[in-house]
Amino acid sequence: AQKVTQAQTEISVVEKEDVTLDCVYETRDTTYYLFWYKQPPSGELVFLIRRNSFDEQNEISGRYSWNFQKSTSSFNFTITASQVVDSAVYFCALLNNAGNMLTFGGGTRLMVKP
Amino acid sequence: DTGVSQDPRHKITKRGQNVTFRCDPISEHNRLYWYRQTLGQGPEFLTYFQNEAQLEKSRLLSDRFSAERPKGSFSTLEIQRTEQGDSAMYLCASSLSGQIYNEQFFGPGTRLTVL
Repeated sequence: AQKVTQAQTEISVVEKEDVTLDCVYETRDTTYYLFWYKQPPSGELVFLIRRNSFDEQNEISGRYSWNFQKSTSSFNFTITASQVVDSAVYFCALLNNAGNMLTFGGGTRLMVKP
Repeated sequence: DTGVSQDPRHKITKRGQNVTFRCDPISEHNRLYWYRQTLGQGPEFLTYFQNEAQLEKSRLLSDRFSAERPKGSFSTLEIQRTEQGDSAMYLCASSLSGQIYNEQFFGPGTRLTVL
């Protein structure tokens, strides 16, 4: 069975602070894919990044960066210089080997205050 | 707008009534997924289709839940004899097969309230 744990249910920061959202996963598959999605107040899930289990290179996209560590089964997400518009619920998700089912974590609600 | 669309966006019903939701995927996507999201939780996988074939339905919550995709385009999710515990957001997503890691694009969801 697959499992994704996001231990931080809610984080509050002041604008321009850096913030890291944690994600830990469990799977028996040797090949799998990890995702981060953003869910703003409007409710629609927005894809942010995909990472496969063979690629442990960190990735940076603007103010966003991701740290994938297979040894600790973690896929953490950092927002640098946070902005009010970053306020949303962020979900980490694991795609199974068959590619047909995403398992989501419980989400982390990020509140960025001006 | 060529994204995933869902209809209705909101549905209020009384316990015991049947409800049906519709999802229109991105036009070239042949895979379609249904998820349920309860308040404060992440989405939970229910079922998925590749073209018109329903390839996984063991995660449907009970026999009151059923889904169809008759022509491999839009899909419907029906809940019979609704219960208060069915109140949730029902999300639809679509993707293109061929590469298993293709990201799923989500629709805005249908929020169901069962009184």
